[in-house]
Amino acid sequence: EAGVAQSPRYKIIEKRQSVAFWCNPISGHATLYWYQQILGQGPKLLIQFQNNGVVDDSQLPKDRFSAERLKGVDSTLKIQPAKLEDSAVYLCASSFLVVASGSPDTQYFGPGTRLTVL
Amino acid sequence: AQSVTQLGSHVSVSEGALVLLRCNYSSSVPPYLFWYVQYPNQGLQLLLKYTSAATLVKGINGFEAEFKKSETSFHLTKPSAHMSDAAEYFCAVTRGGGSQGNLIFGKGTKLSVKP
Repeated sequence: EAGVAQSPRYKIIEKRQSVAFWCNPISGHATLYWYQQILGQGPKLLIQFQNNGVVDDSQLPKDRFSAERLKGVDSTLKIQPAKLEDSAVYLCASSFLVVASGSPDTQYFGPGTRLTVL
Repeated sequence: AQSVTQLGSHVSVSEGALVLLRCNYSSSVPPYLFWYVQYPNQGLQLLLKYTSAATLVKGINGFEAEFKKSETSFHLTKPSAHMSDAAEYFCAVTRGGGSQGNLIFGKGTKLSVKP
């Protein structure tokens, strides 16, 4: 079974530039997550999709970050314009479970995109 | 609100020694708890998860964790460390599945294994 794919793996940009990250979840996984992992910290959820709808984007800085999952499969996370504090690893994860409550299914993580903002 | 505290940002053990990584949680509802491992330049891999079926949870690579409600703890152990165990370990908590399934992570503990 193929894992969660992410690209690019590394990206270096200057502040105020734009950047986009792509994620392709495991086939059949309805739920997709984007996490931000700043150096020395644990991952923090940015946005959660269920199929092509947003379930939770309460921690997404909406003035500069946007994400979409138009066909309920792959997803794109965009930052425009980037700030120095956006330097982090952006992790995409997916899981199979769709139901509204109950025991959580396992989230499978991609390798991440390491963003450096200069 | 839920939170996780991992005690010790860096733990160093000798090869063959006991590994103990500490995790305490705070949750107003029965929690679901996870341990993930992250190797350099890689994503997170699930080691084990507690979903209320059994308090002692066995995971991959010889790791296990015990859920102790009275101590609000979910410490990760391995009887004998191997060099390949050197990595960063994250404890995480969630309220449930679906819309409540987002993970709240601790800050991580970096495990070093000395030969």
